[in-house]
Amino acid sequence: DAGVIQSPRHEVTEMGQEVTLRCKPISGHNSLFWYRQTMMRGLELLIYFNNNVPIDDSGMPEDRFSAKMPNASFSTLKIQPSEPRDSAVYFCASTWSSYNEQFFGPGTRLTVL
Amino acid sequence: AQTVTQSQPEMSVQEAETVTLSCTYDTSESDYYLFWYKQPPSRQMILVIRQEAYKQQNATENRFSVNFQKAAKSFSLKISDSQLGDAAMYFCAYRSEYDMRFGAGTRLTVKP
Repeated sequence: DAGVIQSPRHEVTEMGQEVTLRCKPISGHNSLFWYRQTMMRGLELLIYFNNNVPIDDSGMPEDRFSAKMPNASFSTLKIQPSEPRDSAVYFCASTWSSYNEQFFGPGTRLTVL
Repeated sequence: AQTVTQSQPEMSVQEAETVTLSCTYDTSESDYYLFWYKQPPSRQMILVIRQEAYKQQNATENRFSVNFQKAAKSFSLKISDSQLGDAAMYFCAYRSEYDMRFGAGTRLTVKP
């Protein structure tokens, strides 16, 4: 099993640009989570999907952030327009039930200049 | 909202010794799971151990064990015979059906 796959691994962009982060969950998992990790705020849950449906997006910081899961094998997190304070490591994680442990991807390190 | 508190930002332990990392949480739910994750410098999040709230028996995984005190809402991680490879950030996590929360983390240093 390849595990959770995230791309790109590193992204450097300029303020105002659109950024799209991608995630492929583990096959068979039905829940997918997006997290943001910074030194100041630690690990924050942004949004999670269950069976491709967004369940809780209360962690999404602003309207500049949006997430989609068009099918069970793919999700995107988009930031438009990006700002320097969005610089962080973004993790995607998946699991197969509400109570099981999550499997994390390697993360995307985003730097907004 | 559920909160997870790790009161020790940093801990250190001598190689081969034992160390305990603390975690407390706040919840009004009766059905939930607790986890400890390890994040080494590679930043990959790795599950260390899990505990079901309905189980009274403390979970163990080789050198890792937990002390789960449900009434006190406490969930500490004990690492025995510490190894250099145990050096990492450790996150305590709470999971219920509709919620997932992580603590701020404890950075563990292992001294040779």
